[in-house]
Amino acid sequence: DTAVSQTPKYLVTQMGNDKSIKCEQNLGHDTMYWYKQDSKKFLKIMFSYNNKELIINETVPNRFSPKSPDKAHLNLHINSLELGDSAVYFCASSQGVAGGRTEAFFGQGTRLTVV
Amino acid sequence: KNQVEQSPQSLIILEGKNCTLQCNYTVSPFSNLRWYKQDTGRGPVSLTIMTFSENTKSNGRYTATLDADTKQSSLHITASQLSDSASYICVVSKAAGNKLTFGGGTRVLVKP
Repeated sequence: DTAVSQTPKYLVTQMGNDKSIKCEQNLGHDTMYWYKQDSKKFLKIMFSYNNKELIINETVPNRFSPKSPDKAHLNLHINSLELGDSAVYFCASSQGVAGGRTEAFFGQGTRLTVV
Repeated sequence: KNQVEQSPQSLIILEGKNCTLQCNYTVSPFSNLRWYKQDTGRGPVSLTIMTFSENTKSNGRYTATLDADTKQSSLHITASQLSDSASYICVVSKAAGNKLTFGGGTRVLVKP
C-alpha cells in the first residue's frame, strides 16, 4: 500500500522518443509535484498541481507536459527526449502546498536514461 | 551558487559513532527548514521540520538544530547504525511562494 507510487522505476529510451511517467497517491492529498534530481543530486521542482490546477511551472522545456486527470494522479509526458533529460524524476504529494509545515511525501523515483 | 549548501559532501563513520552534518542557507524570507533522509534508489523521507522559533528538534537518534540568525542548521546522528547509510538532504522553504529549495545532500556511509 505504497503512499506515492511511480511507474516505471527505470526507463531507458532513445533520443527523440516520447515517453510518459505515471504517478499515483493514495493519501487523499490535494497537491502533487514533479521534481528532477540531477547528477549532482540536487532536487528541483518542475511542476505542482493543486486540485488538478497547475500552480507551479518552473522554467522547464515545453517538451515536458504534466497531466492531472484527477487529484490522485499526476503524469509526466516528455516529447522528443534529449540526452540532457537523463535524471531521476520524483513525484510527491502533500495536503496543501508544501511550504509551511505541510509535509511532502515522495515516490521512489523513476530513473530515466536517454541513449 | 545554490541557496542551500551542505557539508561535508560525504563522510564515512564506524557503527556506533556519532556524526554531525551541516547546512548553511541564504533562502529568504525563511519559513522553515527540513531534513530528509534518502536511501539509495528511494525517495526522500522527512526526518524533521523546524520553523524559525525552534532551535532543536529530535526524531529518535536524529537531532536537528537551527540558528535562524546565522542561517545555519545541523543534523546530529547518535550511535549510528548501518541503516543510517543514506544521503541526508537539507531543504529550506521560502515564506513567499511556498517553494522548497534543496541542498545537494551529504552522503553518509556507516561501516561495521
